[in-house]
Amino acid sequence: NAGVTQTPKFQVLKTGQSMTLQCAQDMNHNSMYWYRQDPGMGLRLIYYSASEGTTDKGEVPNGYNVSRLNKREFSLRLESAAPSQTSVYFCASIERAYLYDGYTFGSGTRLTVV
Amino acid sequence: AQSVTQLDSHVSVSEGTPVLLRCNYSSSYSPSLFWYVQHPNKGLQLLLKYTSAATLVKGINGFEAEFKKSETSFHLTKPSAHMSDAAEYFCVVREDTGNQFYFGTGTSLTVIP
Repeated sequence: NAGVTQTPKFQVLKTGQSMTLQCAQDMNHNSMYWYRQDPGMGLRLIYYSASEGTTDKGEVPNGYNVSRLNKREFSLRLESAAPSQTSVYFCASIERAYLYDGYTFGSGTRLTVV
Repeated sequence: AQSVTQLDSHVSVSEGTPVLLRCNYSSSYSPSLFWYVQHPNKGLQLLLKYTSAATLVKGINGFEAEFKKSETSFHLTKPSAHMSDAAEYFCVVREDTGNQFYFGTGTSLTVIP
């Protein structure tokens, strides 16, 4: 089925470890986004890529880096994980934001940092 | 600057009774507004969107929302709740330039049999 695929679905890290969350979409969308979801705070934008070759910071970028590897793939890297990064991470894509289409979301990655 | 306020963090209704989930927004210009639903341990699914074509917007699963500019509101309604409607609902506003979307903190809907 067409959509946004995130891997892994679950991950436990120790403080200071690094990891990369992978996201791929097969809808030929131009824009891709990484959000984190925390209880009572809704979804907050970490980074986004409006088009292939560009990335921009969102509301909460500290402690993260991203790579838009190609049009399909947008990865999120935690260089030195901290307990405050325990969250559920969602990747989303959209053909072009100004066309008013809604996001297509992945199913999420549940990350726990101990 | 854009922002979204969901006025209720939790709403409980009985099956078969109406649903009202409230959302107020702040936007400099004519906004694009969305409602998403998230079932437990799932991703978010688009319910409906407002993009200035009509003030009453119909979505999936019998939901609809009315854009009221004078009240800066975009409340979500459904005439008759079903058990499968139990989920988290998010109101979202799109940034004027189109590159960012801002989420409300969510409303958890419980449907009582």
